Amino acid sequence: SAVISQKPSRDICQRGTSLTIQCQVDSQVTMMFWYRQQPGQSLTLIATANQGSEATYESGFVIDKFPISRPNLTFSTLTVSNMSPEDSSIYLCSAARRITDTQYFGPGTRLTVL
Amino acid sequence: GENVEQHPSTLSVQEGDSAVIKCTYSDSASNYFPWYKQELGKRPQLIIDIRSNVGEKKDQRIAVTLNKTAKHFSLHITETQPEDSAVYFCAASHGNSGGSNYKLTFGKGTLLTVNP
Repeated sequence: SAVISQKPSRDICQRGTSLTIQCQVDSQVTMMFWYRQQPGQSLTLIATANQGSEATYESGFVIDKFPISRPNLTFSTLTVSNMSPEDSSIYLCSAARRITDTQYFGPGTRLTVL
Repeated sequence: GENVEQHPSTLSVQEGDSAVIKCTYSDSASNYFPWYKQELGKRPQLIIDIRSNVGEKKDQRIAVTLNKTAKHFSLHITETQPEDSAVYFCAASHGNSGGSNYKLTFGKGTLLTVNP
């Protein structure tokens, strides 16, 4: 399985600011995804991070609010822009070596917006 | 899009008993069904998965069954132990026609408590 790390592990931010979360995989992977998990809830897919092209966003999530980069096959970033308290959540990245492979998750970034 | 229903939302068992968690999915094209275990404050961890060409899969105390006709799959944990206590999520996925968006849709989760 791939080893996935995220930075930061947690942060407390002020309303109106932006935070960029980094996701690093220890080997090249085809697929990378970003999820949101609100307290006590399930995981909701935000977008698929595509290497070399724009991310594919799920319904309810837009690029202006959650810009995503994927410059290579081991790294991706998610930015949460113009934050409000409703953005307080855990953000998780996941990765799969190939398109049909199991997804493994990073440890998550716990975001609190005041 | 895909919709995954998971039941029960909470399950409490005595140590040594069996636990069963059930999920249904809506998209008949779904062909991959993983189960994740998430302990408090930790990342989801894959515990077992099954693909649509298989009806049952077992790994020690954990088994998963799939009924494609009914669009239903279940997680079975036997001889439960206190360390099995966690939230369990089922998920379903399939690749689209271009195979470029192999994404997971999760159930709402089941909080399993194993009482010593």
